[in-house]
Amino acid sequence: AQSVAQPEDQVNVAEGNPLTVKCTYSVSGNPYLFWYVQYPNRGLQFLLKYITGDNLVKGSYGFEAEFNKSQTSFHLKKPSALVSDSALYFCAVRGVTDKLIFGTGTRLQVFP
Amino acid sequence: EPEVTQTPSHQVTQMGQEVILRCVPISNHLYFYWYRQILGQKVEFLVSFYNNEISEKSEIFDDQFSVERPDGSNFTLKIRSTKLEDSAMYFCATSEGALENQPQHFGDGTRLSIL
Repeated sequence: AQSVAQPEDQVNVAEGNPLTVKCTYSVSGNPYLFWYVQYPNRGLQFLLKYITGDNLVKGSYGFEAEFNKSQTSFHLKKPSALVSDSALYFCAVRGVTDKLIFGTGTRLQVFP
Repeated sequence: EPEVTQTPSHQVTQMGQEVILRCVPISNHLYFYWYRQILGQKVEFLVSFYNNEISEKSEIFDDQFSVERPDGSNFTLKIRSTKLEDSAMYFCATSEGALENQPQHFGDGTRLSIL
């Protein structure tokens, strides 16, 4: 069955430092992977996706993600964190049919 | 940027009552989904809907749940007889095409509180 795991409940980082939010996946077949962000009292906003092609995927708000097939990982990264990046981040994988299967989420806290 | 709109933002209902949650998709989108998020837990798939019929439903989506697109614009989720455990955030998502080509866009959700 398709699944994703986000091993960290929370990630703390100082503003201006690089950030990484981890995600590993388990799929049968080719993985379709996604990152979404959720701000308080809002829905999920699409950040980026990996379907095929380059292992480094660029997305919204300066975020990027690195697909690593050998490690079955799809970590979210940003070179320089902003306080406004503080939010809940969800990794997701496409199910066998066209639905999203989400991880448990990682809360990113960026300190000034 | 076009948005998925959900109403109401918050619904408080007595247990056993029926509720209808409404979603207005982005205008050219053809695929529709409902997800829910129980407080403190992950987002879970409920149902997908395409071409006026259910494509897939999860085991959560039992006989108490139904979806329809009655007027060609609104996409609704009905819970016939609510239970305490139905309390959650319900998110509508829509997409223009299949996931390999188009991402799903989410509304801001309806917070459903069952008393």
